[in-house]
Amino acid sequence: SYVLTQPPAVSVAPGETARTTCGGYNIGDKSVHWYQQKPGQAPVLVIYNDRDRPSGTPDRFSGSNSGNTATLTISRVEAGDEADYYCQVYDSGGEVFGGGTKLTVL
Amino acid sequence: QVQLVQSGAEVKKPGSSVKVSCKASGGTFSSYAISWVRQAPGQGLEWMGGIIPIFGTANYAQKFQGRVTITADKSTSTAYMELSSLRSEDTAVYYCARALGGITIFGTPFDYWGQGTLVTVSS
Repeated sequence: SYVLTQPPAVSVAPGETARTTCGGYNIGDKSVHWYQQKPGQAPVLVIYNDRDRPSGTPDRFSGSNSGNTATLTISRVEAGDEADYYCQVYDSGGEVFGGGTKLTVL
Repeated sequence: QVQLVQSGAEVKKPGSSVKVSCKASGGTFSSYAISWVRQAPGQGLEWMGGIIPIFGTANYAQKFQGRVTITADKSTSTAYMELSSLRSEDTAVYYCARALGGITIFGTPFDYWGQGTLVTVSS
């Protein structure tokens, strides 16, 4: 089965740029979606199809995908961006999620 | 505005079954696939399966094949997820989620989510 690997934690100071990755075999050939999840809340879609933003997602959020790594980048990080972030792809048999990355804003 | 409202928390005994509902409003229910995703305490997200209401066809993750049944009632715009032979490891929050891509279960992100239903399996 297909495996997505995310770092458990990333920390960044307010105003800086946060990058979190999602690794998978030839993930560049797949469409990657990203979710933000705050404690006690349902996930929220922030990036889909590698780099598209749903209406409501600030343009500080961007995505890229190539080779074996997809990346979610958050520019000018704010305290409200502190959350868990999950990547998602489709592989034969169904949807696959990464283990999630906890973003801490220092 | 699309809303998915799920049924309330459940406490179940090992070996029993649970059925969780997800009522949609504010959109065309039949034209969007609904998936179910669960999250064990402190853990990540896990896709269980999905259904296309207009066709009534469901697909399941291999891990849950034979133990999960996903159905949809177009007349009430409600999707259901039933999980049988419950064990302690099934203790989790169960979410329904709508496919942004419309009538496709696979390869689509989820743009609307229910609030989640906590299912606790304990003797």
